[in-house]
Amino acid sequence: GAVVSQHPSRVICKSGTSVKIECRSLDFQATTMFWYRQFPKQSLMLMATSNEGSKATYEQGVEKDKFLINHASLTLSTLTVTSAHPEDSSFYICSASEFRGPSPETQYFGPGTRLLVL
Amino acid sequence: AQTVTQSQPEMSVQEAETVTLSCTYDTSENNYYLFWYKQPPSRQMILVIRQEAYKQQNATENRFSVNFQKAAKSFSLKISDSQLGDTAMYFCALSNNNDMRFGAGTRLTVKP
Repeated sequence: GAVVSQHPSRVICKSGTSVKIECRSLDFQATTMFWYRQFPKQSLMLMATSNEGSKATYEQGVEKDKFLINHASLTLSTLTVTSAHPEDSSFYICSASEFRGPSPETQYFGPGTRLLVL
Repeated sequence: AQTVTQSQPEMSVQEAETVTLSCTYDTSENNYYLFWYKQPPSRQMILVIRQEAYKQQNATENRFSVNFQKAAKSFSLKISDSQLGDTAMYFCALSNNNDMRFGAGTRLTVKP
């Protein structure tokens, strides 16, 4: 149980294009989804938190117009990196939690997406 | 603000031996949750163990156990009978009201 999928696992794009990453909770209803960014050999940095049907809450320093987050259903959240630039190259990880589930506050993570912007 | 500190950037242990990873934290909340996550080379974050702050009993999951000292704000992870597959980055995390904060991580290497 508590499986989270993330697609694509790896994407290479040209500078200036937009990239969409999908995050799905496969066997539970994700009342809250999270998006993280991880640089090599570093910890996870929270980018934003989204609740189903609500606007995402972004961490300080994260550009909401550049990193568009949509949480349209209890099983799907998307992160769109708009007008990507080489400095956006990173490893992006989503996670999901079920507020009223058997394990509140526990986040279950997707496998991550490696983005390379040329 | 919630903070999590892992003071051991790297550790190593011989296969079949026991190792303890340290974690301290700071929070003004009384109700919170503590976690250890494992990130192997695949980079998939895997939940290892979870502790609810209001429970005094230390959580255990097979070979993994924690020493939770609430007053000292300490949450260490003990891995018994270490296996080669335990080689990974280990992150300590604290969550309250869905605000999860991670430590910097400890890179554990299990040597054959």
